Amino acid sequence: DAKTTQPNSMESNEEEPVHLPCNHSTISGTDYIHWYRQLPSQGPEYVIHGLTSNVNNRMASLAIAEDRKSSTLILHRATLRDAAVYYCILRLRGSQGNLIFGKGTKLSVKP
Amino acid sequence: DTAVSQTPKYLVTQMGNDKSIKCEQNLGHDTMYWYKQDSKKFLKIMFSYNNKELIINETVPNRFSPKSPDKAHLNLHINSLELGDSAVYFCASSSRGATYEQYFGPGTRLTVT
Repeated sequence: DAKTTQPNSMESNEEEPVHLPCNHSTISGTDYIHWYRQLPSQGPEYVIHGLTSNVNNRMASLAIAEDRKSSTLILHRATLRDAAVYYCILRLRGSQGNLIFGKGTKLSVKP
Repeated sequence: DTAVSQTPKYLVTQMGNDKSIKCEQNLGHDTMYWYKQDSKKFLKIMFSYNNKELIINETVPNRFSPKSPDKAHLNLHINSLELGDSAVYFCASSSRGATYEQYFGPGTRLTVT
């Protein structure tokens, strides 16, 4: 699986938007971009995924660069509950499905 | 209803013992996984099972063996426990394929003394 690069940590204020970047310059045409997060003392939780087009769901938005070499997870209004480690993961279409986790970005949210 | 459940939540045991961790999912998924998260918080895939067949087996010692009595269960057996096995173990499930999200259990914290 291709590698992703994320900042180690980010800070945000409550109720402000958060943009979490991810670089994946070696992405292949058949790699899906997935985001998961892990809240303290919990298992990872699926957030969103996409291939080429931007995606929105109830949790977040995913903005994918036109060349697909980077993407940004957008939390529109951060809450204290959004404090977690966010993982950007590439998954090959047709793969068996296992997730290769990197170090992720630890997001802190200040009240 | 808990989608993916694991028991026990905490497990403290001595070196050399054999222990099992149970996992059950009620989502109707056909693929289940075991991940290990070490003290540095790195999450690594250990196994996945699809239709009772092991389809991924990373470089995990053969002291670890997954056992799936049916599609809804994937248990993890560990023989001759070592100090380095101390970690949090997460079970997950999904439908097969790269577009499907995985649902994780709450984790089992294993401490080997």
